[in-house]
Amino acid sequence: GQNIDQPTEMTATEGAIVQINCTYQTSGFNGLFWYQQHAGEAPTFLSYNVLDGLEEKGRFSSFLSRSKGYSYLLLKELQMKDSASYLCAVQNNAGNMLTFGGGTRLMVKP
Amino acid sequence: DTEVTQTPKHLVMGMTNKKSLKCEQHMGHRAMYWYKQKAKKPPELMFVYSYEKLSINESVPSRFSPECPNSSLLNLHLHALQPEDSALYLCASSRDRKSNEKLFFGSGTQLSVL
Repeated sequence: GQNIDQPTEMTATEGAIVQINCTYQTSGFNGLFWYQQHAGEAPTFLSYNVLDGLEEKGRFSSFLSRSKGYSYLLLKELQMKDSASYLCAVQNNAGNMLTFGGGTRLMVKP
Repeated sequence: DTEVTQTPKHLVMGMTNKKSLKCEQHMGHRAMYWYKQKAKKPPELMFVYSYEKLSINESVPSRFSPECPNSSLLNLHLHALQPEDSALYLCASSRDRKSNEKLFFGSGTQLSVL
């Protein structure tokens, strides 16, 4: 089975840095995705990690530790438009089947 | 064109109605997916099509019937739904079902069953 945990909600200030954690226990692992979803809209791809380490892409970075079953998404220089839900999703060995965590609702305040 | 287009955007139906949700992509993707998302919950996988063949059915009730007429289109036929089926239905596609292929999501159909 799959068990993916993220904090339900986080609040941060515009211009700050925030780290959203994700822990997982899965029967198979083939990679971890982060998606952003604004209310009422489609999830959009942010990052993919399959090897341990940090992947940096502009203001967003994602880290993975396979041995610890742990990932985080780091958002720098927060902007108001970053207020959204952030979904951690694990890909299992069956090939591109994604199981999503519950999502973290991030609120960015002025 | 990097879009997945879903129609309609909103749908209200009674429990005796028959309706269909449509999804279209022109990215040449050969894997297409239906997800169901309740409010403030993560998307849950319903069906996966790979090269126009149904490869995964996540124990979805038969009142939901998927169809993949060709590699660009994916339908979800609805019949005799229950109020608890009210949710956002998301279609997604990927180049294929191999690892590291990111999913492109449509903006969804918000379904209300009365």
